[in-house]
Amino acid sequence: TQLLEQSPQFLSIQEGENLTVYCNSSSVFSSLQWYRQEPGEGPVLLVTVVTGGEVKKLKRLTFQFGDARKDSSLHITAAQPGDTGLYLCAGDYSGGGADGLTFGKGTHLIIQP
Amino acid sequence: GAVVSQHPSRVICKSGTSVKIECRSLDFQATTMFWYRQFPKQSLMLMATSNEGSKATYEQGVEKDKFLINHASLTLSTLTVTSAHPEDSSFYICSAIQGPHGYTFGSGTRLTVV
Repeated sequence: TQLLEQSPQFLSIQEGENLTVYCNSSSVFSSLQWYRQEPGEGPVLLVTVVTGGEVKKLKRLTFQFGDARKDSSLHITAAQPGDTGLYLCAGDYSGGGADGLTFGKGTHLIIQP
Repeated sequence: GAVVSQHPSRVICKSGTSVKIECRSLDFQATTMFWYRQFPKQSLMLMATSNEGSKATYEQGVEKDKFLINHASLTLSTLTVTSAHPEDSSFYICSAIQGPHGYTFGSGTRLTVV
């Protein structure tokens, strides 16, 4: 069973601050995905990273994939109350989608106005 | 983009009864679908892999006789929770793949067993 460590699990910060969420594994990912999930809904894909060292930006969100493809981070700049939610990283170890995704425990993010 | 439709979104059932949850890929064919379970304040845990035309593959600790999976067509997988008990109450989410990294999730089903 692959393990995916995500931290922090809970984070409450003020509007305008920056934050980083980390996702680490001892195994190499074929790809890694970041999701955001609202209560009572399924996860919504934010980004997929595939290449080691890859950096992707989505407005104020910056996603990095480690060179060795074992870790990833999500950085939010100038957080807004609308960023509040559950953020999940999920790794695909098998490639091609044969084995499903392994999810991290999630980061419950609260941005206070 | 790919869309996965999941029904029902909420269901309440009595202890001992069975409940069926449907997962459909609306605009693409999915030979493989996945079923996850999510308890409150926790992350998603993979329950099983649903394969069109063959038996599902269950993760360790998931009872195959309790969680029956049928993937009868390229666009539909169903999960039936048999003889449901209160401890089966959870949020069940399906997922399908389009392309090598294109996981798309359904909107989930909140099951409450009373």
